[in-house]
Amino acid sequence: GENVEQHPSTLSVQEGDSAVIKCTYSDSASNYFPWYKQELGKGPQLIIDIRSNVGEKKDQRIAVTLNKTAKHFSLHITETQPEDSAVYFCAASTGSSNTGKLIFGQGTTLQVKP
Amino acid sequence: DTEVTQTPKHLVMGMTNKKSLKCEQHMGHRAMYWYKQKAKKPPELMFVYSYEKLSINESVPSRFSPECPNSSLLNLHLHALQPEDSALYLCASSPGLLLTGALQIKPQHFGDGTRLSIL
Repeated sequence: GENVEQHPSTLSVQEGDSAVIKCTYSDSASNYFPWYKQELGKGPQLIIDIRSNVGEKKDQRIAVTLNKTAKHFSLHITETQPEDSAVYFCAASTGSSNTGKLIFGQGTTLQVKP
Repeated sequence: DTEVTQTPKHLVMGMTNKKSLKCEQHMGHRAMYWYKQKAKKPPELMFVYSYEKLSINESVPSRFSPECPNSSLLNLHLHALQPEDSALYLCASSPGLLLTGALQIKPQHFGDGTRLSIL
């Protein structure tokens, strides 16, 4: 079945450094790729998304890149701050029947050290 | 603050109890979702409602019964749950666009969940 692999599972960076999280998907028909940030005790919060007709998208310190040929996409956070510490999930839409169903990666716990 | 409101935030129930989880959104979204999330795991899709009709049931046991009374509300009725059903239950919504029988993919926005514990 469809699968999304996410790496690394944990990431620790110093404040001000950049953080990169990578995901690979298996369904070549996937065309929508959101990223979610989940803080302790909260639900996942959509932070950025990208569609298959775009190669890169940026929103302030956050950017996402998509390589459809290689079937991978990445989240880049620049100038990290302690409040960026959270669990990050990537996801990919399933191509079949365009139902709005998402397949999530296993998550990356990001720790930003002051 | 999230625009998807879930109640209660915490729920403890015995295996013979009947309880309901509630979800409400006032963003005019026409697709609503129930997810289950275990600790340190990603959300797992349970049900999708599109225009108040059940469109996806991910082979969820019948002890979980969803209901969508109107476009703003989503309920999850619980009965005879098992200890392994203890988890965070998340509701999400998205703008639904019915296009030739399919949902145009729109961003999903999550509530903060109900933390369910089964004794």
